[in-house]
Amino acid sequence: GQNIDQPTEMTATEGAIVQINCTYQTSGFNGLFWYQQHAGEAPTFLSYNVLDGLEEKGRFSSFLSRSKGYSYLLLKELQMKDSASYLCAVRSVMDTGRRALTFGSGTRLQVQP
Amino acid sequence: DTGVSQDPRHKITKRGQNVTFRCDPISEHNRLYWYRQTLGQGPEFLTYFQNEAQLEKSRLLSDRFSAERPKGSFSTLEIQRTEQGDSAMYLCASSLVGLDPQGGTDTQYFGPGTRLTVL
Repeated sequence: GQNIDQPTEMTATEGAIVQINCTYQTSGFNGLFWYQQHAGEAPTFLSYNVLDGLEEKGRFSSFLSRSKGYSYLLLKELQMKDSASYLCAVRSVMDTGRRALTFGSGTRLQVQP
Repeated sequence: DTGVSQDPRHKITKRGQNVTFRCDPISEHNRLYWYRQTLGQGPEFLTYFQNEAQLEKSRLLSDRFSAERPKGSFSTLEIQRTEQGDSAMYLCASSLVGLDPQGGTDTQYFGPGTRLTVL
């Protein structure tokens, strides 16, 4: 099966940088996704990594190390609107051939003034 | 708005009643997924369709749950004889198997969800 771990909560200050870590154990790894979810709303796609290294998209960057089963999401120049849950999701190829997306429980980030 | 849409956004029902939710995916997407999410947890996979074919169902999906995608476009999820444990957010997502410029093939884009409360 899959196991995905990420911190439950984090707090950071407006304007600062925060790194949200995610570790995973899976077979048939086929990519790692980060989603942002504001309370009561749908998850919104942020980033996708399938190869090792850093992917940068504006204020958000995501890193992957497949050998270590590790990823992080880096948020720069934090804004109050970044307060949300950040979901790490691992895609794996199942025995059925389906590419299954398994989500972690999410990291609730609170940005303070 | 060309994103995934779901209807209704909220549903309150009494235990034992049947409920049906609808999902309209992004128009060119050929895959459609249903997930359930409870407070403080990530979404859990329920079932998915490729075009009109339902290809897989999770063990979470009891016999009281049924999903359809009759014409390969919108989908419905029905829960019969609802129980209090069915209270959750039901999320729909769609994806394109093929090249997706943003996230590679099969990146899932989520709708706003239907929040079900069973009293």
